[in-house]
Amino acid sequence: EVQLVESGGGLVKPGGSLRLSCAASGFSFSVYTMNWVRQAPGKGLEWVSSISSNTNFILYGDSVKGRFTISRDNAKNSLYLQMNGLRADDTALYYCARDYSGTSIDRWGQGTLVTVSS
Amino acid sequence: QSALTQPPSASGSPGQSVTISCTGTSSDVGAYNYVSWYQQHPGKVPKLLIYEVTKRPSGVPDRFSGSKSGNTASLTVSGLQTEDEAEYYCSSYTGSSRVFGGGTKLTVL
Repeated sequence: EVQLVESGGGLVKPGGSLRLSCAASGFSFSVYTMNWVRQAPGKGLEWVSSISSNTNFILYGDSVKGRFTISRDNAKNSLYLQMNGLRADDTALYYCARDYSGTSIDRWGQGTLVTVSS
Repeated sequence: QSALTQPPSASGSPGQSVTISCTGTSSDVGAYNYVSWYQQHPGKVPKLLIYEVTKRPSGVPDRFSGSKSGNTASLTVSGLQTEDEAEYYCSSYTGSSRVFGGGTKLTVL
């Protein structure tokens, strides 16, 4: 069974940093592009970043470019998101998500909540 | 990376059909056949319904169908059922990123 389990969320002050992790199991993690998608409380989905299987292709949304860094460790079946310079509008549930067919997302974790507040 | 435009709400009675639109630009929806649709029930994670405009993943009922014309993609839900009441999001590849729509709340009357 495909499982994606996020961790690392929490309460952080504006300007602070957090590192999110996603532990993958039940599939060949190393061959899949992976994504981070976030959802602010009561709001819609926002794509944050994606990383190809071999890390050759990395993309970021405009709202996080220059502040967030996505990475992965295929040996550990893990995906990461380093978040620096956090702002109040980064408050959201952050989902780890598996790419499907290179064009969509077919598996989602349960999410980890990041709250940025003083 | 502006969000794709979806109507905030849609509704229909059980058994009816409803269509949800998703309008982008010639740089995203109009440029690529990479539109996908997701269903999200309250408190649940999104579920993939449609990918590459018209394709359904295994297990998704054929009551859900997708199409595209120009810069606008559409999701049609036929034979509405009460369990179809949910939020629906479209998404498109843009060449250098991905973008979601703002979401449409589908109410089954």
